[in-house]
Amino acid sequence: DVKVTQSSRYLVKRTGEKVFLECVQDMDHENMFWYRQDPGLGLRLIYFSYDVKMKEKGDIPEGYSVSREKKERFSLILESASTNQTSMYLCASSSPGPYSGNTIYFGEGSWLTVV
Amino acid sequence: AQKITQTQPGMFVQEKEAVTLDCTYDTSDQSYGLFWYKQPSSGEMIFLIYQGSYDEQNATEGRYSLNFQKARKSANLVISASQLGDSAMYFCAMREAGRGGATNKLIFGTGTLLAVQP
Repeated sequence: DVKVTQSSRYLVKRTGEKVFLECVQDMDHENMFWYRQDPGLGLRLIYFSYDVKMKEKGDIPEGYSVSREKKERFSLILESASTNQTSMYLCASSSPGPYSGNTIYFGEGSWLTVV
Repeated sequence: AQKITQTQPGMFVQEKEAVTLDCTYDTSDQSYGLFWYKQPSSGEMIFLIYQGSYDEQNATEGRYSLNFQKARKSANLVISASQLGDSAMYFCAMREAGRGGATNKLIFGTGTLLAVQP
């Protein structure tokens, strides 16, 4: 069974802390994505990576960075957590085209609260 | 710029009735894919249905069908015979090729919360 695993389901961190959210996939996918989900705003893309050490900014990269040292792992880093980064974070992975149906796989989500 | 618009923040439907969830999109690419996902309160994203931009027939998957109108750039989800278990958030999403097809970025709408009433 294919799997995208996010290391922590629920986290509580203090303002100013450095936070790492880890995502691991076992499908040898080239593409990996980090989204944050907020009520009324849907899923917004933070960063994505299409190969090891390759990354591109999404729609809301400010306050975040990412790391992809190995193909299976994509980390989201909050250098100095702030309360407005309290959110649910979703990781996803996929292979590149051709397109078809169920080819994008999501993790279970990480609920981050910054206090 | 690519964009997905879902104009219905929330909807009610009676059990056993059909419901249509609206989705419009904007893209300059000729090749793209459209997806619908269901997200129950547990948070997992469940793939429902996919429509490719070059597919001539509307996609169907069981009780789900996608009403694809390319000229109008709309991709509405139709759920027939609603069930209580259909109560969830529904997201429309689009995937288009990046440079050289490498990126395949997936973008989402803001979602529609569907409540099925007994």
